[in-house]
Amino acid sequence: DADVTQTPRNRITKTGKRIMLECSQTKGHDRMYWYRQDPGLGLRLIYYSFDVKDINKGEISDGYSVSRQAQAKFSLSLESAIPNQTALYFCATSDAPGTPEIGQYFGPGTRLTVT
Amino acid sequence: GQNIDQPTEMTATEGAIVQINCTYQTSGFNGLFWYQQHAGEAPTFLSYNVLDGLEEKGRFSSFLSRSKGYSYLLLKELQMKDSASYLCAVGLGYNTDKLIFGTGTRLQVFP
Repeated sequence: DADVTQTPRNRITKTGKRIMLECSQTKGHDRMYWYRQDPGLGLRLIYYSFDVKDINKGEISDGYSVSRQAQAKFSLSLESAIPNQTALYFCATSDAPGTPEIGQYFGPGTRLTVT
Repeated sequence: GQNIDQPTEMTATEGAIVQINCTYQTSGFNGLFWYQQHAGEAPTFLSYNVLDGLEEKGRFSSFLSRSKGYSYLLLKELQMKDSASYLCAVGLGYNTDKLIFGTGTRLQVFP
């Protein structure tokens, strides 16, 4: 089974709709992240969380909100979707400082289209 | 501001060697990462450099010069399956929790 899972994998929605993207992990990592990827712009950080009570804005948080329901679950919400939020969204996790597991581990992505 | 530059596209021949360069100017530095990403798939971790020098891992090697703000990824004995995007990322903050990514280099390997 995959260590980091995302649901849904693909979603088409209309402008103005609320949508939630979900991420679950079995790696036991405390730290979780949401990114979006657009052609020519690379991966950009939306929000990140270092534990259940810790939520931080990333570089492009406007129009998004998150919820860390448990150590293993981190959800991203678009309260009122707009077409320029059409992108590939990735969830990632990382281990605590001082551990040998370096780097972030990515889920398979959610392709979101807003019409 | 944060700036990470890498070429947009590169092509190479199966069996050859290719070097993908990355230069960075960031407010803080706590390591440089390389990720591989096949089209439509998740990025996967390739390498991490925090000290100057070369790190070798099988067919892939990564080099870092902190004083020059420069890194490269070297891929040897290229295979068709190496066709992918290669993402350079700088770790910021304590223990590299925050990563700033370059826009990626799309590598196409031809027979």
